[in-house]
Amino acid sequence: NAGVTQTPKFRVLKTGQSMTLLCAQDMNHEYMYWYRQDPGMGLRLIHYSVGEGTTAKGEVPDGYNVSRLKKQNFLLGLESAAPSQTSVYFCASTYGASNQPQHFGDGTRLSIL
Amino acid sequence: GDSVTQMEGPVTLSEEAFLTINCTYTATGYPSLFWYVQYPGEGLQLLLKATKADDKGSNKGFEATYRKETTSFHLEKGSVQVSDSAVYFCAPPNSGGYQKVTFGTGTKLQVIP
Repeated sequence: NAGVTQTPKFRVLKTGQSMTLLCAQDMNHEYMYWYRQDPGMGLRLIHYSVGEGTTAKGEVPDGYNVSRLKKQNFLLGLESAAPSQTSVYFCASTYGASNQPQHFGDGTRLSIL
Repeated sequence: GDSVTQMEGPVTLSEEAFLTINCTYTATGYPSLFWYVQYPGEGLQLLLKATKADDKGSNKGFEATYRKETTSFHLEKGSVQVSDSAVYFCAPPNSGGYQKVTFGTGTKLQVIP
């Protein structure tokens, strides 16, 4: 009964380093999302995907790239990390119909020094 | 576009007090509406949903009624417990689809013994 699993749970990076956050879901959901959550800013959409092989920009896409090579996985990449990307990152998935809720992972806490 | 206006927090209540968190929305059509809850250190999880006008969603003692005439979906609980301390999010309409939605900051509830 895994649901949405995010890897890693915590990470500390130095400015300029790169990394990839992995999101995996086992519910056969079509839509997947990456959000960041910052104090006072709420949950903001970074990128999303409406199916395998597709990606689209959300509200705050700059500095991030994503890939959805397999339906169950959605990867978020930081090519050159900046301190402004220090945040908690959440992945979510859903069947894609507007009457269905999103299912969230437990988040990745990322600090950029 | 579709959006919600949610009561600002934080809200501090004594155990067994009555809770109301206001949420009003703007939407195209008659979308399903959702409340999510985020406990410390976790991702958002669905608390309750309503799929049509006058529908009442309920879960864990929480209730919310989909009121089309006032475009509201207020969250209520008759007697809060310390374990209800969390952040509550009224989700934007159509957030289960591919809209570029922002969840907002939510309402932080602290229940004191």
